[in-house]
Amino acid sequence: AQSVTQLGSHVSVSEGALVLLRCNYSSSVPPYLFWYVQYPNQGLQLLLKYTSAATLVKGINGFEAEFKKSETSFHLTKPSAHMSDAAEYFCAVSTGANSKLTFGKGITLSVRP
Amino acid sequence: DAGVTQSPTHLIKTRGQQVTLRCSPKSGHDTVSWYQQALGQGPQFIFQYYEEEERQRGNFPDRFSGHQFPNYSSELNVNALLLGDSALYLCASSLPGQGRSNEQFFGPGTRLTVL
Repeated sequence: AQSVTQLGSHVSVSEGALVLLRCNYSSSVPPYLFWYVQYPNQGLQLLLKYTSAATLVKGINGFEAEFKKSETSFHLTKPSAHMSDAAEYFCAVSTGANSKLTFGKGITLSVRP
Repeated sequence: DAGVTQSPTHLIKTRGQQVTLRCSPKSGHDTVSWYQQALGQGPQFIFQYYEEEERQRGNFPDRFSGHQFPNYSSELNVNALLLGDSALYLCASSLPGQGRSNEQFFGPGTRLTVL
């Protein structure tokens, strides 16, 4: 079985501040991990993915995430928030050839001017 | 290159009715997955189709059924609609065994409202 926990439903940061969105996973096999972003009234867009290569993964729009097996975490960070980063962010886990994605509940990111 | 497309964009139905949602995968993709996203929640996996067969299914009742056509497009059917079926229904396409990443590309979704 696999699951994802995203602590907190809402994060608010000032423009230019560090963004940190937390994700912890549970998986009985080595996981593949993903972060998706969803803008209002749109589908999901892949930000980045971990597939058992480098533990520090760089994605689009300046986001990156670090896989920490000992902490079963895959937190998403961005050094400097931009107004356009305001959106819903979902962490998801998959177990390889099985394409089923298990998502967390999501975190709403607000960016204050 | 068109991405994943879904139709209709919005749909309003009443309890007990039946609904069909449609999805065309990204060019070159032959695997289609369906997800239900209730308001304020993350998407939940309904099922996946490959080679016109249901390959995997999530924890959804038999009222939810699907189909995949030879051109890889797919339909999601929901019978005997309940108020709780109101949600955004997302379709995602992928290549089977795409490297090790299982990257899925999502469509914009169909917003279903059940009254």
